[in-house]
Amino acid sequence: DQQVKQNSPSLSVQEGRISILNCDYTNSMFDYFLWYKKYPAEGPTFLISISSIKDKNEDGRFTVFLNKSAKHLSLHIVPSQPGDSAVYFCASQIQGAQKLVFGQGTRLTINP
Amino acid sequence: SAVISQKPSRDICQRGTSLTIQCQVDSQVTMMFWYRQQPGQSLTLIATANQGSEATYESGFVIDKFPISRPNLTFSTLTVSNMSPEDSSIYLCSVEKTPRTDTQYFGPGTRLTVL
Repeated sequence: DQQVKQNSPSLSVQEGRISILNCDYTNSMFDYFLWYKKYPAEGPTFLISISSIKDKNEDGRFTVFLNKSAKHLSLHIVPSQPGDSAVYFCASQIQGAQKLVFGQGTRLTINP
Repeated sequence: SAVISQKPSRDICQRGTSLTIQCQVDSQVTMMFWYRQQPGQSLTLIATANQGSEATYESGFVIDKFPISRPNLTFSTLTVSNMSPEDSSIYLCSVEKTPRTDTQYFGPGTRLTVL
């Protein structure tokens, strides 16, 4: 049972444009959500998170939006830069339970 | 964040052997975790490494196959025992730097290939 789904395995965006990565979850008990970026041969790097009491969290070029009723979150990167090319994972958690449940990842490619 | 190192970074092993992976953190942390990423798959939690007590394993993972040690607050090991080709994965440790912040930071991973 895949509780966290990233339905787009890959996404290609032109440099300077907005990248939008999507994630859906099924477990209504999840109340904390995170995005990680992963380069080849490296571990995932924490990007940004959001608690279920919010619907938006912003950090520089990165903004995460949470729609609890739709059980959907998205990561917006604007403007996109070549260094943003990586695999992006969303992860969900029941706060305090430590266990992260990951999506399958979306490979983002930023084209010059 | 935290600086996390893992050894080895990669290894190729023969079926039936065991490999111990080390995870070292640059500061004391309460929670350490071990994840597996099989080829083309997402990350899956294997177990939580508890300091001073036995690890807590997720469904589908057992101590005989993945024994874990946590001798202190900066170090943990994961052993992959009696390996088969299905164990070929990237193994990652992660830490929760500050208790109850729920943000985990990951090591670089160990890429294991079993022939």
